[in-house]
Amino acid sequence: DAKTTQPNSMESNEEEPVHLPCNHSTISGTDYIHWYRQLPSQGPEYVIHGLTSNVNNRMASLAIAEDRKSSTLILHRATLRDAAVYYCILRDRYGNKLVFGAGTILRVKS
Amino acid sequence: GAVVSQHPSWVICKSGTSVKIECRSLDFQATTMFWYRQFPKQSLMLMATSNEGSKATYEQGVEKDKFLINHASLTLSTLTVTSAHPEDSSFYICSARDRGANQPQHFGDGTRLSIL
Repeated sequence: DAKTTQPNSMESNEEEPVHLPCNHSTISGTDYIHWYRQLPSQGPEYVIHGLTSNVNNRMASLAIAEDRKSSTLILHRATLRDAAVYYCILRDRYGNKLVFGAGTILRVKS
Repeated sequence: GAVVSQHPSWVICKSGTSVKIECRSLDFQATTMFWYRQFPKQSLMLMATSNEGSKATYEQGVEKDKFLINHASLTLSTLTVTSAHPEDSSFYICSARDRGANQPQHFGDGTRLSIL
């Protein structure tokens, strides 16, 4: 599986946008970019995924670079409930397993 | 939305006991389920892929005789930690993926296992 690189931690103020970066320079043409997050003492939660075009859903937006070697998860207005570890993972369209890296710890200040 | 239920949420037992953890997909059929373990302040580590009606596929370094996986139906997979010891204490998490290509995985809320 191609690897991703994320910052260890980031901090944001409540009600401000948050941009979480992810580098994946060895991404293949069939790899989808998936984002999950994990709140303390819970299982991970699916956030969003995409292939080439930017994606939006009720939770977040995913901006994918034109060369697909990097992507950014955007939380439009951070709340205290968004404090979590965010994982950026590559997975082939027909791939099964998700391999988790270290992720980014997001801290949200009130 | 898709829900994966994991039971029990936590268990404390004596060393040498075998512990069974259940993972159910509540509103979809999952031919494939996954089992992870997570130590404090670490990321999730994939232990095995559970395939309905066939043997599980274990990741390198995971003892298949220690962690028994059964996936007898499209909605239920079980992980049994046999003869558990204190070093097996961890947070165990299951996940399942709905049928079809490129579906997201849905995770249970995890089972915190403490072996005394």
